[in-house]
Amino acid sequence: EVQLVESGGGLVQPGGSLRLSCAASGFTFSSYDMHWVRQATGKGLEWVSAIGTAGDTYYPGSVKGRFTISRENAKNSLYLQMNSLRAEDTAVYYCARVRSSSWTWDFDYWGQGTLVTVSS
Amino acid sequence: DIQMTQSPSSLSASVGDRVTITCRASQSISSYLNWYQQKPGKAPKLLIYAASSLQSGVPSRFSGSGSGTDFTLTISSLQPEDFATYYCQQSYSMPGITFGQGTRLEIK
Repeated sequence: EVQLVESGGGLVQPGGSLRLSCAASGFTFSSYDMHWVRQATGKGLEWVSAIGTAGDTYYPGSVKGRFTISRENAKNSLYLQMNSLRAEDTAVYYCARVRSSSWTWDFDYWGQGTLVTVSS
Repeated sequence: DIQMTQSPSSLSASVGDRVTITCRASQSISSYLNWYQQKPGKAPKLLIYAASSLQSGVPSRFSGSGSGTDFTLTISSLQPEDFATYYCQQSYSMPGITFGQGTRLEIK
């Protein structure tokens, strides 16, 4: 059974840092592109970052230069290092797997999410 | 960035109704369009990928159509478990993925 389990969320002050983790199981992690998507309370979905199987990374302008996505295939783990956090980064953060053979970057499995709150 | 606009933003319907949700892209995205269902407190669930392909395990009452800038998600006969929020997602401008603002489907 495919499982994605996020951890590392919590309360952090503006300007602070946090590292999220996503533990993957039930599939060959190294063979899949992985993404982070966030959702502020009561709001829609926002794409945060992506990492390919070769380690290539992608970010939207809203987080580029502040967030870093990485993966450790030996540990079946995905990470999101978040620096210079702002109040608008407050959200539930989901890790998501790109469906195998996808050419449309659709996400067939998602974790349960971890809440990040940026507040003083 | 490519903007995705869903309509309506909310919708009330009854069990057994046929429902259509529309997603419009600010520029042509070919068939790089996916649909998700999200229930409160849960992660999104993939329903449709590449505009019209049904994800494995998703009931056949769900269908998608469209290409270019205009897309639709149709539920042929609403079931109680279908009341949720639906999102479209474009990936044409990879790596710049964007989602629609969501359509909340409520029980009438």
